[in-house]
Amino acid sequence: AQSVTQPDIHITVSEGASLELRCNYSYGATPYLFWYVQSPGQGLQLLLKYFSGDTLVQGIKGFEAEFKRSQSSFNLRKPSVHWSDAAEYFCAVGPYNDYKLSFGAGTTVTVRA
Amino acid sequence: DAGITQSPRYKITETGRQVTLMCHQTWSHSYMFWYRQDLGHGLRLIYYSAAADITDKGEVPDGYVVSRSKTENFPLTLESATRSQTSVYFCASRTSGSYEQYFGPGTRLTVT
Repeated sequence: AQSVTQPDIHITVSEGASLELRCNYSYGATPYLFWYVQSPGQGLQLLLKYFSGDTLVQGIKGFEAEFKRSQSSFNLRKPSVHWSDAAEYFCAVGPYNDYKLSFGAGTTVTVRA
Repeated sequence: DAGITQSPRYKITETGRQVTLMCHQTWSHSYMFWYRQDLGHGLRLIYYSAAADITDKGEVPDGYVVSRSKTENFPLTLESATRSQTSVYFCASRTSGSYEQYFGPGTRLTVT
């Protein structure tokens, strides 16, 4: 069965600094990978997705993620964070021919002025 | 374009009571899902539906019942609520041709 690990429960970053959130997955074949963001009191919004092709994918709000097959990772990055990026971020994986997604436990990002 | 809506947004109920959480989507997506979100667990799948009248269990189905008589609606019923069902519940949907899911705003349920 697939699984997703987000090693960092909480990250604090200064406004304007770079951000990287880690995501590792366990699955035998190439998965479909997603990053979602959840602002306080809101539902989950899709930031970006990887299905195939270029391993560096661009998403909304200035985020990007890189798929590294050798490391079973799909880390999320942003070069310069804004206070509005304070939220919880979830990585998710969905194997081919399986409609279900498995979510990581989430990483909470705090942005300090 | 309302997208996917959930009602109520907040609910307090007592142990043993039946409660139904509603989910409605306007996209005619074939797949719909119910998740619960608990601290430290991320999102866990309760039930899903591939189409009207087709439903199946997810990871944590015990104590929940679903139905899907119409494509756009996917209600979740707690037949006899327990304190362990205190959680935030999210409904999601997707098309049959893609894997990304689109989420509703959630329902915060407290069972006292």
